[in-house]
Amino acid sequence: DVKVTQSSRYLVKRTGEKVFLECVQDMDHENMFWYRQDPGLGLRLIYFSYDVKMKEKGDIPEGYSVSREKKERFSLILESASTNQTSMYLCASSLEEGWVTGELFFGEGSRLTVL
Amino acid sequence: AQKVTQAQTEISVVEKEDVTLDCVYETRDTTYYLFWYKQPPSGELVFLIRRNSFDEQNEISGRYSWNFQKSTSSFNFTITASQVVDSAVYFCALSEPSIQGAQKLVFGQGTRLTINP
Repeated sequence: DVKVTQSSRYLVKRTGEKVFLECVQDMDHENMFWYRQDPGLGLRLIYFSYDVKMKEKGDIPEGYSVSREKKERFSLILESASTNQTSMYLCASSLEEGWVTGELFFGEGSRLTVL
Repeated sequence: AQKVTQAQTEISVVEKEDVTLDCVYETRDTTYYLFWYKQPPSGELVFLIRRNSFDEQNEISGRYSWNFQKSTSSFNFTITASQVVDSAVYFCALSEPSIQGAQKLVFGQGTRLTINP
């Protein structure tokens, strides 16, 4: 059974803390994504990676960074968490199919609360 | 830039009613893909359908059907004879090529569908 696993379902952090959200996929997918989900705003892309050590900014990268040292793992980093980063974070992966847009497989999400 | 609009924030119907979820998109690309995802209360988004811009045939899968109309830039989703298990948030999404050529998705705001017994 194909799977995208996010390390934590729920996290509570303090303002200013450094936060790591980890995501692992077992499908050998080239592409990995981090989205943020907020009520009324849908899913917004933070960063994505199309290959190991390669990344590209999404629509809302400010305050975030990412790391992809291995093909199966994609980490989202909040260098100094702020209350406006309280949200649901969704990791996804997809197979690289050239000009065809591959289906995204999602993890269960990580709900982050910053106090 | 691509844009997806799901104007219906919330819909509530009684079980066995038919319900249509609207999706309108904007793109300048001639080749693109449209998707629908379901997010049940458990939280994990589940893929429902992918459609490419060259195929305007309507699709039916059991109680689910999709109507793709390029002339109105719409990709609407209909559930026939709705059931309580259909209660979820539904997202429409549109493909967008990145600078490097990788394909990513732009999502709509989502429609929360509640099916009442």
